[in-house]
Formats: sequence, structure tokens, C-alpha cells
Amino acid sequence: GDSVTQMEGPVTLSEEAFLTINCTYTATGYPSLFWYVQYPGEGLQLLLKATKADDKGSNKGFEATYRKETTSFHLEKGSVQVSDSAVYFCALTPNSGYSTLTFGKGTMLLVSP
Amino acid sequence: DGGITQSPKYLFRKEGQNVTLSCEQNLNHDAMYWYRQDPGQGLRLIYYSQIVNDFQKGDIAEGYSVSREKKESFPLTVTSAQKNPTAFYLCASRTSYNEQFFGPGTRLTVL
Repeated sequence: GDSVTQMEGPVTLSEEAFLTINCTYTATGYPSLFWYVQYPGEGLQLLLKATKADDKGSNKGFEATYRKETTSFHLEKGSVQVSDSAVYFCALTPNSGYSTLTFGKGTMLLVSP
Repeated sequence: DGGITQSPKYLFRKEGQNVTLSCEQNLNHDAMYWYRQDPGQGLRLIYYSQIVNDFQKGDIAEGYSVSREKKESFPLTVTSAQKNPTAFYLCASRTSYNEQFFGPGTRLTVL
């Protein structure tokens, strides 16, 4: 079945550092890929998405590129802020019909001033 | 404003009790979902519904039940058969572009 693997956290960075959170997936066909963010005590918010190979999703300074050849969708940000501290989830859904999301286990990001 | 609401935010249950978690959306989405989140476990799918009066079991449906009598509402009942119900429960609905939008969650604690 489909699966998503994320790097384990926590990832600890200083403000203005470069961020990479790795995400790889296993799926048949060509899934859509997503990054969600969860702040403490809240629900998940959709951060960005990509629906086909070589697409780049971007939002609020975060970017991720759909790499079919490496089955990856790594999340990057050039300069993190303290307010980016949260848990980040990578997820996929098949592009066929009605389907559910498969999530990775999440990666906690802690940014210090 | 369109969105998803969940209530209550915090819920306490005694052992042996059934409790119902509310989920309402005004986004006009057909599909709705219930997830359970445990620390370090990510999200696990409990039940989902693609249309009114229809729902399917997810990966961890045992000890839970749902109904979908209205498009806007998808309540989840945690029954006494669920042996370890303490968790954070998240409801979501899905757009036609396969994007899921989540509610703020309900934290259930068994006393």
C-alpha cells in the first residue's frame, strides 16, 4: 500500500537558518503530494501541494518540488522564523477517484531566536 | 466565513461511557473524514464519508461509530468498546481538488 516517510525530529534551528525536511513516498501511479502544518493544540492547515511530477508547490516562503525519479517531496524554506515552530506532515493521495490521505508521522520544527 | 467546527474542544469520559464528538462544515463539501492523532504516531483514519447516508471504515474503526444524515454534519461516537480512546480527534472535509481542510480538533481524555 501507499506510504510516506519523513525525517524524524525534532529539527532544531536558529532564526534565519535554512530549513529542509525530507519526505519520500511509495505509491502506485502518480499521486498528489501535500505538506500540512500543525501548530500546538490546533488542527492541520494545508501549507502547499503539487499534483504532478516536477510541479513546485509554494506558500509563505515554503517550497517543495515533486520529484518522481526520487519519489520525494522535500520541504524547504530559505530563512525560518520563530513563528514557523510547528509539526509538519507530508501526505499523499492517489489521483484516481475518491481517495483518502496517507500521512507521514510528522516532523517537529523548533526555531530559536 | 466557511470552515469546519468541532465541539467540544476538550472532553472527559469515564470508562464504560459512550461519547459523541461533533463535526460541522459549511464548505458544501461532499466528503468528510475522522482521524485520530496520538503523540509521535501521525494521523490515522477512523471513518470517512463520501456522500450523505454513506460511510466507510478506515484503518482503525473498531470501537467507533459514525452517521452522515446531513451533508454538513459527521458526528463520531467513541464507544465503550474502544479500549484506549484518549487521543486528539480531528475532523476534515475535502474539496473537489483532493485538498482536505481540518477542524480545530477535540481532545478526549478517559478518567
